[in-house]
Parts: sequence; structure tokens; C-alpha cells
Amino acid sequence: GENVEQHPSTLSVQEGDSAVIKCTYSDSASNYFPWYKQELGKRPQLIIDIRSNVGEKKDQRIAVTLNKTAKHFSLHITETQPEDSAVYFCAARDASKIIFGSGTRLSIRP
Amino acid sequence: DARVTQTPRHKVTEMGQEVTMRCQPILGHNTVFWYRQTMMQGLELLAYFRNRAPLDDSGMPKDRFSAEMPDATLATLKIQPSEPRDSAVYFCASGYWESWEEFEKLFFGSGTQLSVL
Repeated sequence: GENVEQHPSTLSVQEGDSAVIKCTYSDSASNYFPWYKQELGKRPQLIIDIRSNVGEKKDQRIAVTLNKTAKHFSLHITETQPEDSAVYFCAARDASKIIFGSGTRLSIRP
Repeated sequence: DARVTQTPRHKVTEMGQEVTMRCQPILGHNTVFWYRQTMMQGLELLAYFRNRAPLDDSGMPKDRFSAEMPDATLATLKIQPSEPRDSAVYFCASGYWESWEEFEKLFFGSGTQLSVL
């Protein structure tokens, strides 16, 4: 079955700098890769997703890249702001289910 | 604004007691997932259903956990007997999943914070 590895587990960046979170997946048949943001005490919510027929997708300050050959995908947040502080989860969908990475706790330093 | 509803929000119980968590998926969604969140394991898949049929519950300890979907508006996750190591936040999530190419995003419930003493 699918296995998703996520790094780093914690990340602290200066406000205004960029943050990058990386994930790898094991099942080459996986075709959908969402990213979820979970603020403290809240439910995870989808922030961006990418399908396997696309190499990059951008939405304002966030972007996701996918390298199918290497089975890597990454989340990029530019011009970080205090409200970006949260836990971020990557995920991969195989034939029928969605498997999540272990999460990255992102802290934005003022 | 449609939401996945989970009850209870918080549950404190003693070791050995039965715990039942409930989830009402968004109307029209045909796929329901149960995830467990701990500090160390992130979001761990326990079980999931499509069109009320259980597809995979390999993530659950079978001797104590059970998941059912008695109708399209209710999914349940039971732990009997509960143990301190079961303490975690349990999330239900629903989505509409028609085929390999057709998929809409998952919506999560607010979770059940379970503490087993």
C-alpha cells in the first residue's frame, strides 16, 4: 500500500521568508496529492492539491510541485505571515484511499 | 455551509469502558474515512467506507475497534474495551468519489478528543 513520508517535522521561519515542506510517496499509481492545513485545535482543511498530470500549481502565496519520476512533491509558501503558523499535512491518493504524511509544524517568527 | 458533524467533541472515560464516536457525513458524499491523530503518528487511517460498504479497516486493532455505517447519514467507530493508548483525536472525513479520475476534496469533522484514564 501507499506510504507517505514528510519532512521536516518542525519548521521555523522568519516572517516574510519562504517555507518549503517536502513529501515522498511509494505507490507510483497514486494520482492525486492534496495538502491540508490544521490550525491549533481545528480540523484539517484543504489548501491546495495537484493531480499527477500537472507538474506545478500555484494559488497566491502557496504553490505545489510534483516530480512523478522521483515520487516527490513539495509545498512552497512565500512571504510567510503569522497566520501561516499551523500543522501542514501532505497526502497521496492511491486506488481508493488517501494516506497522510506525519505532518509539519510550521512556526512563523515575528 | 455543509459540514461533517462529529459527536461527542470530547470524551473522558476509564480504561475498559466502551466508547462510541459518531459521524454524520455531508449529504451526498459517498465515502467516509476515520483517521486517528496522535502527536507521533500524524493522521493515521483506521477505516473507510464507500457507498456504506467497508473497504479497508486494516488500520484498526481488530480485537477492540469496530467501524460501521448503518445508513448513509451515520458512521460509527467503537472501542471496546478502551485503553489509555487509545487516547487521541479521532477525525471523520467525507467526500464524493465516483471513479479513479473523479474525486472531490475531503471535508473533515471537528474531531472527537478521547482521553482514556
